[in-house]
Order: sequence, then C-alpha cells, then structure tokens
Amino acid sequence: AQKVTQAQTEISVVEKEDVTLDCVYETRDTTYYLFWYKQPPSGELVFLIRRNSFDEQNEISGRYSWNFQKSTSSFNFTITASQVVDSAVYFCALTGSSNTGKLIFGQGTTLQVKP
Amino acid sequence: KAGVTQTPRYLIKTRGQQVTLSCSPISGHRSVSWYQQTPGQGLQFLFEYFSETQRNKGNFPGRFSGRQFSNSRSEMNVSTLELGDSALYLCASSSGQLNSPLHFGNGTRLTVT
Repeated sequence: AQKVTQAQTEISVVEKEDVTLDCVYETRDTTYYLFWYKQPPSGELVFLIRRNSFDEQNEISGRYSWNFQKSTSSFNFTITASQVVDSAVYFCALTGSSNTGKLIFGQGTTLQVKP
Repeated sequence: KAGVTQTPRYLIKTRGQQVTLSCSPISGHRSVSWYQQTPGQGLQFLFEYFSETQRNKGNFPGRFSGRQFSNSRSEMNVSTLELGDSALYLCASSSGQLNSPLHFGNGTRLTVT
C-alpha cells in the first residue's frame, strides 16, 4: 500500500527564517511520482512541483527548493527567507505509475509565518 | 487561461437529501478527479473521469457517484446525505496523461445538518 507521512502538523516561524517541511513516503512501485501542493485559506490546492522516482536531482525555484532522497524515502521542501504570504497548508502527495488522477496525500503541514 | 471552476461554493443540506456538485475543467483538459477533504480524514480520492468514462475509483460507498459530459465538465452526486459527508469537495483537472499534475478548483463546502 502507498502512504505519505508529514510528521509536522504545524510549524510557526518568523518572517525571513528558513523552514523545511518533511515528507516521508512508502510505496512498492519502482516507478512513482511525488508532488507538493500548497493550500492557502481560499481552499484551492496549488501545484508546486512533481518529481519522478528516477530523478533524484534536487530542484530550486526561487525561494523554494526540494530534496528528494530515495535511500530514505523522503521528499523534503525548504522555503528560504520565508514570507507572510507563504502561510498555508502544504501537502505532499504520491502516485504510482498506473494511477491517473489518484493522489495519496499526506495529512498536511500548516505553516504560519509571522511578521 | 481560466482555471478549474466549481459551483456552488457553499451548500447546506439536510440528512437524507441528495446533492449535485459541478466542475468545469481547464480548457483542453480531458481528465477530472474528485477529492473529499475533512479535518479527520484529510484529502481522499473519490474518482476520476476521462473522456466520459470512470477510469479510477476510491473507497467510497455507492452513494457517491459522478459523471462526465462530452465537453469534459463533470458532476458529482451524493445521495442520502449523512452528517459525515460534510466536507470540502475538490475537483481537479489534468490533461489525462499519466501522472500529469492535477490543477484544483476552489472547492465546494458542503454542510449536512
């Protein structure tokens, strides 16, 4: 069975601090895909990144960076120099090679960035 | 390009009633997926439609059903509502290609009293 664990329920930081959101996954598939989504108070889930299981290269996009490590089944997300607008719930998700449209989500991490 | 549109944004229904939620995908997207989000269970997959056919299904009772029209718009129906059906229902669209990113709407907040 597939499972995603986000052990951090809530994180609170002060603006400009760096923050890392943890994501650990379980799957028996050799080919799988990992995602991060952001859910602001408006409710819409905003797609941030997709990574496939064969690509362990870390990725940086502006203040966002992702660290994918198959050896530890982790796909962590770091926000550098956090801003108040980063306050949201962040979800890590997983899907197998044959599951179209079906994502297994973690429970989410609520990030609060205080001014 | 317009995003995924869900209507209505809010609904209040009584136990035993039925409800229909609507979703218009991003133009050109042929796949529509539905998710239920609750504080206790988190985000759970309901089903996915592609070219008017259900392609994938989650573990929900038969009271939850859906359909997709030829223009890719989708509806989700819940019959015989229960209090536990109170949730945010999110619709997502994608191209339908394997593991293409899902793009979500703002959701419909359903309250069952």
